[in-house]
Amino acid sequence: GDSVTQMEGPVTLSEEAFLTINCTYTATGYPSLFWYVQYPGEGLQLLLKATKADDKGSNKGFEATYRKETTSFHLEKGSVQVSDSAVYFCALSTSYDKVIFGPGTSLSVIP
Amino acid sequence: GAVVSQHPSRVICKSGTSVKIECRSLDFQATTMFWYRQFPKQSLMLMATSNEGSKATYEQGVEKDKFLINHASLTLSTLTVTSAHPEDSSFYICSALHSWDSHNEKLFFGSGTQLSVL
Repeated sequence: GDSVTQMEGPVTLSEEAFLTINCTYTATGYPSLFWYVQYPGEGLQLLLKATKADDKGSNKGFEATYRKETTSFHLEKGSVQVSDSAVYFCALSTSYDKVIFGPGTSLSVIP
Repeated sequence: GAVVSQHPSRVICKSGTSVKIECRSLDFQATTMFWYRQFPKQSLMLMATSNEGSKATYEQGVEKDKFLINHASLTLSTLTVTSAHPEDSSFYICSALHSWDSHNEKLFFGSGTQLSVL
C-alpha cells in the first residue's frame, strides 16, 4: 500500500543552519505530496504542497521538489530560526479521503 | 483563511465515561470532515471519514460503536468516545475539506483535543 517514510528525529540545529528533512514515498498512481507543520500545542498546518512531478512547493522560506524518479519530496530551508521549531510531517494523497502521513520529524532550533 | 475550530482542546475524564469532541468549520461549509488519532511521537492515523447527512466511513480496525461520529450539519461534526478507557488516551484531530470547485480543494485542520482517561 501507499506509505511515507521520513528521517527520524529529533533534529537539533543552531539558528541560521541549513535544514534538510528527507521524505520518500511509495504510491500507486500519481499522488499529491505535502508537508505539514505542527507547532507546539497547535494543530496541523499545511506548509507546502506539490501536485505533479518536478513541481516545487515553497512557503515561509521552506522548499520541496516533487522528484518522481527518486520518489522523494525532501524539505529544505536555507536558514532556520527558533520559531521553526515544530514537528514536520510529510504526506501524500491520491484523494482527500486517503491522506497518508509520515511519522513526523521533530525539529528544535537553538539560539 | 478558512478556520476549523475544535473543542475542547484538553479533557480529562474517568474511565467508563463518554467524551464528545466537536469540530466546526467557521467560515465555510464542509460536506466532508475527517477524524485522526495521534499517539505520542507517532503520525496521524485516519480513523474515519465523516459525511454530512450520512453514516461515517470507518478505517479498518476502528470500532464504530466505540467512536461515534455525527455530522448533522455542514459546519459541525462530532466524535464521541464512548465508555472511555485509559488506552483511548490520545490526541484527536479533525480536518474539514473546503471545496471551491471540482478542481480546488484544501484540508484545514483543527487544533486537536488531548484526551486523558484516568
